[in-house]
Amino acid sequence: GAVVSQHPSRVICKSGTSVKIECRSLDFQATTMFWYRQFPKQSLMLMATSNEGSKATYEQGVEKDKFLINHASLTLSTLTVTSAHPEDSSFYICSAREGVGISTDTQYFGPGTRLTVL
Amino acid sequence: SQQGEEDPQALSIQEGENATMNCSYKTSINNLQWYRQNSGRGLVHLILIRSNEREKHSGRLRVTLDTSKKSSSLLITASRAADTASYFCAGGASGSRLTFGEGTQLTVNP
Repeated sequence: GAVVSQHPSRVICKSGTSVKIECRSLDFQATTMFWYRQFPKQSLMLMATSNEGSKATYEQGVEKDKFLINHASLTLSTLTVTSAHPEDSSFYICSAREGVGISTDTQYFGPGTRLTVL
Repeated sequence: SQQGEEDPQALSIQEGENATMNCSYKTSINNLQWYRQNSGRGLVHLILIRSNEREKHSGRLRVTLDTSKKSSSLLITASRAADTASYFCAGGASGSRLTFGEGTQLTVNP
């Protein structure tokens, strides 16, 4: 149980285009989902916390107009990288925390999406 | 910003040996979690230890937590080549986000 999927797993796009990444919890309901960014050989940097039905909370330094997050249901959150540029190239990983009526601290991670902006 | 530091940054051992990784953190936590990441993949949750616990076991994994020193260790016993991966600790406050350490790259040589 506790499987999180991401789609697409890999995307290559031209500079200036927008890219949408989906994060789904497959067998549980996730009231909270998190979006991370990871550069090669580095740790994960939290970008934003997404709560179902409300606006995402962004970390300091993360542009909310650049990285649009929508958490429309208890099983789906999306991250849209708008007007992508080469510096946005990175590995984006989502995680989900289980919990409707219960509280748990364990986060389950998706397999990640490799974004390359040409 | 990253608040956790992991030691060592890289560890290379032979199959069958034990691997010990350490993690230190700066802020107060409710729990500390360890994750494994294979190259280019997502993170796999290994174990969670709460702030009122001192030691926890799961299979070949042993985790300790010393809140007075704000440090934790992960011990993998009888390592296997398949254990080769990056290992991250992450401190969590209840109901809140995780703050990840820099990670330890473990290589287990067959």
